[in-house]
Amino acid sequence: RKEVEQDPGPFNVPEGATVAFNCTYSNSASQSFFWYRQDCRKEPKLLMSVYSSGNEDGRFTAQLNRASQYISLLIRDSKLSDSATYLCVGLSGGSNYKLTFGKGTLLTVNP
Amino acid sequence: DAGVIQSPRHEVTEMGQEVTLRCKPISGHNSLFWYRQTMMRGLELLIYFNNNVPIDDSGMPEDRFSAKMPNASFSTLKIQPSEPRDSAVYFCATRAGSNQPQHFGDGTRLSIL
Repeated sequence: RKEVEQDPGPFNVPEGATVAFNCTYSNSASQSFFWYRQDCRKEPKLLMSVYSSGNEDGRFTAQLNRASQYISLLIRDSKLSDSATYLCVGLSGGSNYKLTFGKGTLLTVNP
Repeated sequence: DAGVIQSPRHEVTEMGQEVTLRCKPISGHNSLFWYRQTMMRGLELLIYFNNNVPIDDSGMPEDRFSAKMPNASFSTLKIQPSEPRDSAVYFCATRAGSNQPQHFGDGTRLSIL
């Protein structure tokens, strides 16, 4: 079983829609979690960290449920520019070095 | 403000040839990571250096792959001999400390014919 699993999509949504991505992880030793965004033919970029208490950054809300080993990302009022692949990432290892990436969920926001 | 710099951006070569990928970390970043990304396997960590010392190379696929970091401002990933299944995008990432995010370079698109 892959350490971090997420629905590959693709998700096709109209502008203004709310879309949610889910991710599960198997390594209970994972200490921190993140959502990265990767545009086509570009490098991954950190979108936001994920905290157990839930955290929000503008239209983006991330949530971590350690009991269920589940992470989510909610995008409200989606924009065309949100079209990208969203990668769920777990951090583990001594000195917090090992990022384990999910394979990503492709989102396309349509006009 | 220069980010992580990788070269070349693209490489196309025939199988059996030696391939060398290069990475210049962000100044002051003491950790460096090499990743490989394919459609089938996603992003995989190949090797991690801390203060120029290899800490974890368990992701290096086989002996044909080697990585070095001779100083704080330069790292190489070498494949010798290369095979078609090595075709992928190779990313270098660096970070300033254990609680800091990793910053990725633009990647090298490698095609082995």
